[in-house]
Amino acid sequence: QKEVEQNSGPLSVPEGAIASLNCTYSDRGSQSFFWYRQYSGKSPELIMSIYSNGDKEDGRFTAQLNKASQYVSLLIRDSQPSDSATYLCAVNIAGGYNKLIFGAGTRLAVHP
Amino acid sequence: DVKVTQSSRYLVKRTGEKVFLECVQDMDHENMFWYRQDPGLGLRLIYFSYDVKMKEKGDIPEGYSVSREKKERFSLILESASTNQTSMYLCASSTQGASGRYGEQFFGPGTRLTVL
Repeated sequence: QKEVEQNSGPLSVPEGAIASLNCTYSDRGSQSFFWYRQYSGKSPELIMSIYSNGDKEDGRFTAQLNKASQYVSLLIRDSQPSDSATYLCAVNIAGGYNKLIFGAGTRLAVHP
Repeated sequence: DVKVTQSSRYLVKRTGEKVFLECVQDMDHENMFWYRQDPGLGLRLIYFSYDVKMKEKGDIPEGYSVSREKKERFSLILESASTNQTSMYLCASSTQGASGRYGEQFFGPGTRLTVL
């Protein structure tokens, strides 16, 4: 069973701090990794994609990938109350029509 | 921008009714997916389609069927709705690409279905 694990949270951080969200996956053959943000009652919105080991930065977001450790993370710098949401990690499993396996999500709460 | 639309945001049906949920994407994506999302259970894949008239079962296909007659449209059918099918239903689409590469999925706004 291919799995994606995330800490469910809630992760509580003060406004302006760095929020660090982590994800591990079991399929060593996976090549593509995604972070989605989901506000309560809304659908998931893609915020970051990463395909190679290392860091990828986009504005206040940085995705980090370590394939040897089967670990992907999302850093949110200068966290804002509007970042409060559930963050889903998703992994593209090898050999299967680009199906994604989603983690259960980490709930982030940014307090003023 | 990729746009995925779903026919209804909210739907209330009676037990035993036949329910159709429709999804349309405008980016010429090959792959389309239907998920349901329930508190504590995360996103669960019901069915997906990688081409017109082609479909594959996901993790929880029981009680559901799908139809893909045109590339841009993917329908989810509840043949006889039951109360345990009350859920948020999410449609997504993606390009095909090489298997395992890329494949980011774009979601529609979701349909919150209540079966009474």
